[in-house]
Amino acid sequence: KQEVTQIPAALSVPEGENLVLNCSFTDSAIYNLQWFRQDPGKGLTSLLLIQSSQREQTSGRLNASLDKSSGRSTLYIAASQPGDSATYLCAVSDTGANSKLTFGKGITLSVRP
Amino acid sequence: DAGVIQSPRHEVTEMGQEVTLRCKPISGHNSLFWYRQTMMRGLELLIYFNNNVPIDDSGMPEDRFSAKMPNASFSTLKIQPSEPRDSAVYFCASGRGGRFVTQYFGPGTRLLVL
Repeated sequence: KQEVTQIPAALSVPEGENLVLNCSFTDSAIYNLQWFRQDPGKGLTSLLLIQSSQREQTSGRLNASLDKSSGRSTLYIAASQPGDSATYLCAVSDTGANSKLTFGKGITLSVRP
Repeated sequence: DAGVIQSPRHEVTEMGQEVTLRCKPISGHNSLFWYRQTMMRGLELLIYFNNNVPIDDSGMPEDRFSAKMPNASFSTLKIQPSEPRDSAVYFCASGRGGRFVTQYFGPGTRLLVL
């Protein structure tokens, strides 16, 4: 059974800092990996999707990398801003016939002005 | 586009009552997902529809839960009878294609069962 872990559960950084959020998963037979953002009281917004054959994806100040063999992904946020404060969730799709997204519990990020 | 629409946004009910959650996916999307989010268990897939047909309901916790998708623009998740442990935020998400697509989430329904 796939398990996704995100540590630490919470992170507080000063504005302007570059930061890395980590995600690990137990079964490397994945189809893709996604990073989501969740604001308080809101739904999830997909930030980046990395196919299993890819190493990284970039969108603006965000860069996500994938190392399938080691079961790890990182989300890099450059020049963090207070507006980046949110919970960031990592989710993987496995390759089985009944594949589903397995989510980590998220990292709650607070960027201090 | 209005995005995925869910109603109600908040629901407070008493144990034993029937609860119906509603979802309108994004127009043109043919995949629909129902999720439940709790502090203890995180976000879990309950059921996945493709072209209005339930494909995977292995995440539905028990017979008290049922979901329908009578047409491409509407889905319901029903809990009957409800129990306090059903208290959670229920999300609906939709996508264009199969189960591996980018999913667009609704704002969720926060359910509290007393």
